[in-house]
Amino acid sequence: SQQGEEDPQALSIQEGENATMNCSYKTSINNLQWYRQNSGRGLVHLILIRSNEREKHSGRLRVTLDTSKKSSSLLITASRAADTASYFCATDKSSASKIIFGSGTRLSIRP
Amino acid sequence: GAVVSQHPSWVICKSGTSVKIECRSLDFQATTMFWYRQFPKQSLMLMATSNEGSKATYEQGVEKDKFLINHASLTLSTLTVTSAHPEDSSFYICSAATDSPQFFGPGTRLTVL
Repeated sequence: SQQGEEDPQALSIQEGENATMNCSYKTSINNLQWYRQNSGRGLVHLILIRSNEREKHSGRLRVTLDTSKKSSSLLITASRAADTASYFCATDKSSASKIIFGSGTRLSIRP
Repeated sequence: GAVVSQHPSWVICKSGTSVKIECRSLDFQATTMFWYRQFPKQSLMLMATSNEGSKATYEQGVEKDKFLINHASLTLSTLTVTSAHPEDSSFYICSAATDSPQFFGPGTRLTVL
């Protein structure tokens, strides 16, 4: 079963614009992670945010976590064509425990 | 980051045959490995969790006799799809972990004719 939902399911923006994806989950978590997957390929880990953190940055990525609303957002600034991919949030209840993926957002960057 | 490999990267087999997929952690020892299945344009669905030297824990709805998992060492887990059918055609991805985050393999695309 899936932990949560992501919205939008699909997002198409112009190169250079910012992209925001949202993730909601159902149960309490220890960590929330964001992954990228290019079509037909494996997953690339982007960023991990712990349940006691509210915001984290990594390069052009900004992740927020609101545990009271059981939601997270991923912001990609100054998007590039190479950012075209599917993005998944994933949650776990403890380190090295199973992680459950959200439904994913398909991001397309128009040149 | 740590590297996880899968072999083969793709496989085509006839209905009724069995297929083995290997997952290896190349530069670290993984106490736990996970197997996921992903259908086209869908998310990853966890199939099972395996710890070295013990039986795998399967998610609800996943047949343990059809999807045999062996985790014989801290660097190798195998998934065998037994008596494969066309509906088993999917993208199978493993991950390995000692702590967060998990590191994912590149996936194996299985096509059953």
